[in-house]
Amino acid sequence: EAQVTQNPRYLITVTGKKLTVTCSQNMNHEYMSWYRQDPGLGLRQIYYSMNVEVTDKGDVPEGYKVSRKEKRNFPLILESPSPNQTSLYFCASSSRTGRSYNSPLHFGNGTRLTVT
Amino acid sequence: RKEVEQDPGPFNVPEGATVAFNCTYSNSASQSFFWYRQDCRKEPKLLMSVYSSGNEDGRFTAQLNRASQYISLLIRDSKLSDSATYLCVVNDPLTRGNKLVFGAGTILRVKS
Repeated sequence: EAQVTQNPRYLITVTGKKLTVTCSQNMNHEYMSWYRQDPGLGLRQIYYSMNVEVTDKGDVPEGYKVSRKEKRNFPLILESPSPNQTSLYFCASSSRTGRSYNSPLHFGNGTRLTVT
Repeated sequence: RKEVEQDPGPFNVPEGATVAFNCTYSNSASQSFFWYRQDCRKEPKLLMSVYSSGNEDGRFTAQLNRASQYISLLIRDSKLSDSATYLCVVNDPLTRGNKLVFGAGTILRVKS
């Protein structure tokens, strides 16, 4: 089954304790992206990757890191989480690259992070 | 001005009703448009792409108006299961990654 898999689904942590949220897709998509969703603000892009070893900042990259060493995996790293990073996070992938405008995004089922 | 704007609602409608949402976008160079559906606390799922000539998928019809820079979604014969948040999504071709920009969503509640 074609899917994007995120782990964990729920995570409660304390300020400053490094964490990683994993994301994996089995559709051979070049494009992958991380979003956070907060009430009233919609989905905001954190980082994206257009292919292996190619990553770029989105709209809200502060406090986050990513890596893309393999095509299927795109982990999100919070080196020193803070309470303002409490949010619902989604990973997504797509076959859209460069000028391929019409490919939609496929989302993972989300990670609800709470930082106390 | 936000890149993609939607009326947050909620739209409360009875079963069987017809309901329409609009979404405006600011970038006249945008070329790809989508409607996504999101159930509470779950991931967004593609409902339909929006094509220039308009398109229909069962009870759902999407339209694009380039001159006025808006897209619309029409739902006929509403079902209880249509209750969800509907997200309007538009590409920003001026970004290196051809970013998709999401509206904040319109809440639909269908009641019996």
